[in-house]
Amino acid sequence: AQSVTQPDIHITVSEGASLELRCNYSYGATPYLFWYVQSPGQGLQLLLKYFSGDTLVQGIKGFEAEFKRSQSSFNLRKPSVHWSDAAEYFCAVGSNDYKLSFGAGTTVTVRA
Amino acid sequence: NAGVTQTPKFRVLKTGQSMTLLCAQDMNHEYMYWYRQDPGMGLRLIHYSVGEGTTAKGEVPDGYNVSRLKKQNFLLGLESAAPSQTSVYFCASSYRDSKRKAFFGQGTRLTVV
Repeated sequence: AQSVTQPDIHITVSEGASLELRCNYSYGATPYLFWYVQSPGQGLQLLLKYFSGDTLVQGIKGFEAEFKRSQSSFNLRKPSVHWSDAAEYFCAVGSNDYKLSFGAGTTVTVRA
Repeated sequence: NAGVTQTPKFRVLKTGQSMTLLCAQDMNHEYMYWYRQDPGMGLRLIHYSVGEGTTAKGEVPDGYNVSRLKKQNFLLGLESAAPSQTSVYFCASSYRDSKRKAFFGQGTRLTVV
């Protein structure tokens, strides 16, 4: 069975600074990897996905993520955060048995 | 284009009461999912369906039942609500060939007192 670990529960970053959110997954085969963002009181919105090919993927809102098979990681990055990036971020892995499993989430606070 | 719609958005139940949450999608997706979201635990899969008339258990299925009588609808039932089922419930759907890229509803906040 697959699983996802997000080691950081909460990250505080200054506006304009860079952001990196960590994600480690466990899955026996080639995973389908996702990052979702959830703003307060809202549903989840897909930021980006990795299925195959180029290991550096670009997403919406200026986010990117890099798949590193050797480290079983799929870390999310943004070079310069905006106050509107304050939200909860979820890493997820999809598998061949139809399931989509999520990490516990990382809450990002942006300070002025 | 409504996407994934959940009904209701909020509900308060007394312990022992029953209720049904409705999820409707208008994207002709084959797969549908019900998750619950609790602080510090992310989203946990309750039940899912890979097609009309087919359902399967996820990680935390106890206390819940589901039905997928129509392709566009996925119902989540609580037969006898318990305080431990206080949570935010999310429905999601995806195409069979989308490698699980899912679209989510806005959530249902359920409180059991």
